Amino acid sequence: GAVVSQHPSRVICKSGTSVKIECRSLDFQATTMFWYRQFPKQSLMLMATSNEGSKATYEQGVEKDKFLINHASLTLSTLTVASAHPEDSSFYICCAMGSTAITTDTQYFGPGTRLTVL
Amino acid sequence: AQTVTQSQPEMSVQEAETVTLSCTYDTSESDYYLFWYKQPPSRQMILVIRQEAYKQQNATENRFSVNFQKAAKSFSLKISDSQLGDAAMYFCAYRSAKSSGDKLTFGTGTRLAVRP
Repeated sequence: GAVVSQHPSRVICKSGTSVKIECRSLDFQATTMFWYRQFPKQSLMLMATSNEGSKATYEQGVEKDKFLINHASLTLSTLTVASAHPEDSSFYICCAMGSTAITTDTQYFGPGTRLTVL
Repeated sequence: AQTVTQSQPEMSVQEAETVTLSCTYDTSESDYYLFWYKQPPSRQMILVIRQEAYKQQNATENRFSVNFQKAAKSFSLKISDSQLGDAAMYFCAYRSAKSSGDKLTFGTGTRLAVRP
């Protein structure tokens, strides 16, 4: 089956630093990737959608200058939290959708990254 | 905009028994997909079952089945012969079938506990 990895799985950083999270589709080409944010005991909230080679589309209320998304290849998307602050602490989950007959129309989730900003 | 509502924050079931999780949604579209995802303590989202709105037949996957009522906009999940490994957070999700509507809209989730 299609596998999506995320790195790192956990990150702890000081306030003001930037953090990059990588999302990779390991065995398929992901034409579209989604980035979600999940607070403790809450649901997943979509932050942005990115298509390979295009600028990401951000959901209302999500700061594009704060959460920088790059989808430069069909197997890699990155989310950079710029100048992270404690309120950015959360669980970030990526989700990839492919373009093959098997992977299209199905979304595969990464294992998530827990970000803690001190 | 579409919304998904899960009115049961928590549910509990005895091992080997059957439990039904509720989900309702609101949409003006006629063609869409509905999903149930499981999120165990590992936080990895796992697809449990999916339903295409144009299909009248309810989807089933082994011990998991749905009751899809399109007119009522209801999409409940039935778990039969519950197992300890079924304990998790369950999210109902909606996705438009339009080519530009690939994003998932999630409900608030139902935490399922399985009693041994």
